[in-house]
Amino acid sequence: EIVLTQSPVTLSLSPGERATLSCRASQSVSSYLAWYQQKPGQAPRLLIYDASNGAPGIPARFSGSGSGTDFTLTISSLEPEDFAVYYCQQRRNWPWTFGQGTKVGIK
Amino acid sequence: EVQLVESGGGLVQPGGSLRLSCAASGFTFGTYWMTWVRQAPGKGLEWVANINQDGSEKYYVDSVKGRFTISRDNAKNSLYLQMNSLRAEDTAVYYCASDIGVNGYMDVWGKGTTVTVSS
Repeated sequence: EIVLTQSPVTLSLSPGERATLSCRASQSVSSYLAWYQQKPGQAPRLLIYDASNGAPGIPARFSGSGSGTDFTLTISSLEPEDFAVYYCQQRRNWPWTFGQGTKVGIK
Repeated sequence: EVQLVESGGGLVQPGGSLRLSCAASGFTFGTYWMTWVRQAPGKGLEWVANINQDGSEKYYVDSVKGRFTISRDNAKNSLYLQMNSLRAEDTAVYYCASDIGVNGYMDVWGKGTTVTVSS
């Protein structure tokens, strides 16, 4: 099983600041990695797929990078609605796995 | 409008069974892989199972193998999760999801149904 480790666990930032979230895989997932956003009481929302492609309708302030074992989600300038939990997920191998999540909170 | 609606959740005793359903609408259900994902209270997301378009391929997380069965009825535009021998650790919100707009990734999700396993 591929283990995804996200860091930091919690990130405290102010609106307008840049957020940088990390996801590290225990073995290569090539570019088969996605990022999801989840707000309390809601289903997850796909942000980024294939490591760096924005899903339809996702604002340009969200970007992804990386390949192999190290990946980054960047939010260029935080909007109030961006404070949420973010998960990475790999589909390179069965079982699909998620990272434990990074909570982006308001400072 | 593309929509997934889960149902069938509830309170069940340990060792009991439950069958979850996911009703699909707004897209050609039979042409997409379908997925179940769960989230225990206050915890992260956990992938549970996948099924291919005609039901000939199924994959499960180890913790549910032999207890849960994913299936689909394309004529009824429905996805199912039969859950047997339920344990307290199966308590979670169960989501169905699919890769309707983005091939291979879960870009459409239902709102989830809650399963509570407790005596």
